[in-house]
Amino acid sequence: QVQLVQSGAEVKKPGASVKLSCKASGYTFTHYYIHWVRQAPGQGLEWMGWITPYSGDTKYAQNFQGRVTMTRDTSISTAYMELSRLTSDDTAMYYCARDRDVVIPPAAPYNWFAPWGPGTLVTVSP
Amino acid sequence: DIQMTQSPSILSASVGDRVTITCRASQSISRWLAWYQQKSGKAPNLLISKASSLERGVPSRFSGSGSGTEFTLTISSLQPDDFATYYCQHFHSYPLTFGGGTKVEIK
Repeated sequence: QVQLVQSGAEVKKPGASVKLSCKASGYTFTHYYIHWVRQAPGQGLEWMGWITPYSGDTKYAQNFQGRVTMTRDTSISTAYMELSRLTSDDTAMYYCARDRDVVIPPAAPYNWFAPWGPGTLVTVSP
Repeated sequence: DIQMTQSPSILSASVGDRVTITCRASQSISRWLAWYQQKSGKAPNLLISKASSLERGVPSRFSGSGSGTEFTLTISSLQPDDFATYYCQHFHSYPLTFGGGTKVEIK
């Protein structure tokens, strides 16, 4: 079955960086875009961007431009999201989510998400 | 950016009730809208895409409708498993944005 397994919880100091992983299984990793979405405690959902494992191309939300880097390692079917210059506002659950259907770039992603990983809690605290 | 506004933010209902959640977009998004259900402490789960296409495995009591700027998610007969928070999300253009959520509580 399709599964996304995310790395464990992180605690970081302000100004630090964090790199999260999302390991995919049960499907052809390179055939589906991977998105990252975060959710601050008690808040709504915020889309951060996507990566296509096929080529490594990325698209980031303007709010995160310059601070986020999404990469992938196709040999182990894993996507990564690194966020730098952390502040307390970055304390959140970070989810990876697969694009709903097969897309081979340069075709654009569908941009709705299923399934989602279980999330990784990132806490930024002095 | 396209703003997505959901109403109500909290909805109190009983098992068996018909429930309707509204999602409004700040500009026309055609039918480029998805609905998700999120239970406490869990990741969201896709219910509906393209405004009204029910995801495989989602109970038929869920339905979506609308186009342009106004959309609705309806649960025809609320079940105990449906008490959760529901989010709409547009995919008309970047950035992709979500509504603020509607929490469906037990009355």
